[in-house]
Amino acid sequence: DSGVTQTPKHLITATGQRVTLRCSPRSGDLSVYWYQQSLDQGLQFLIQYYNGEERAKGNILERFSAQQFPDLHSELNLSSLELGDSALYFCASSPPRGSGSYEQYFGPGTRLTVT
Amino acid sequence: AQSVTQPDIHITVSEGASLELRCNYSYGATPYLFWYVQSPGQGLQLLLKYFSGDTLVQGIKGFEAEFKRSQSSFNLRKPSVHWSDAAEYFCAVGAVGGNLIFGKGTKLSVKP
Repeated sequence: DSGVTQTPKHLITATGQRVTLRCSPRSGDLSVYWYQQSLDQGLQFLIQYYNGEERAKGNILERFSAQQFPDLHSELNLSSLELGDSALYFCASSPPRGSGSYEQYFGPGTRLTVT
Repeated sequence: AQSVTQPDIHITVSEGASLELRCNYSYGATPYLFWYVQSPGQGLQLLLKYFSGDTLVQGIKGFEAEFKRSQSSFNLRKPSVHWSDAAEYFCAVGAVGGNLIFGKGTKLSVKP
């Protein structure tokens, strides 16, 4: 158990819909990262937050957005869903800057199926 | 651009045999390197990491990896594979922004 939690574990929805994925980082970690894992694209970085502020963006679609709340949990919002958005979505957290550690700890993921 | 290449998509080894999974990276500076393992339907578990110092790093589950700057490689090794090691293995490099760039993964099958 990495200490990173994600809900829900599975999500099945229809095209055009909107969903919210939730992540709670490990205790003490300030950074949250979102990744998408699909068969054709592999593991792709979407977006990073650090202590409530957006820090980096990767291959995130405009239909997707995220935020990190004061209690440091994060939500990834996916809207106008398409079949191609079906994937495993991971959240990861990492120790604070200055800790000397740069590894990321991953949650169990949310499997999204768009029908 | 930063990238990670795992040349082997699928490897099959016999239980008890040694294992080496290859990883090559492209990065301008001294990289932060990682190996993660993913069992079916599971998240990614950190096996080991390299930040600096000793180029041979030890990880969990009996795995080790060696950083070779001259070859831009960070290969994962295990002297004796167990059936429970069957999984997918991902090499990753830490990007400038802090996020990880992953290879495509190597699926390991273990023959009894």
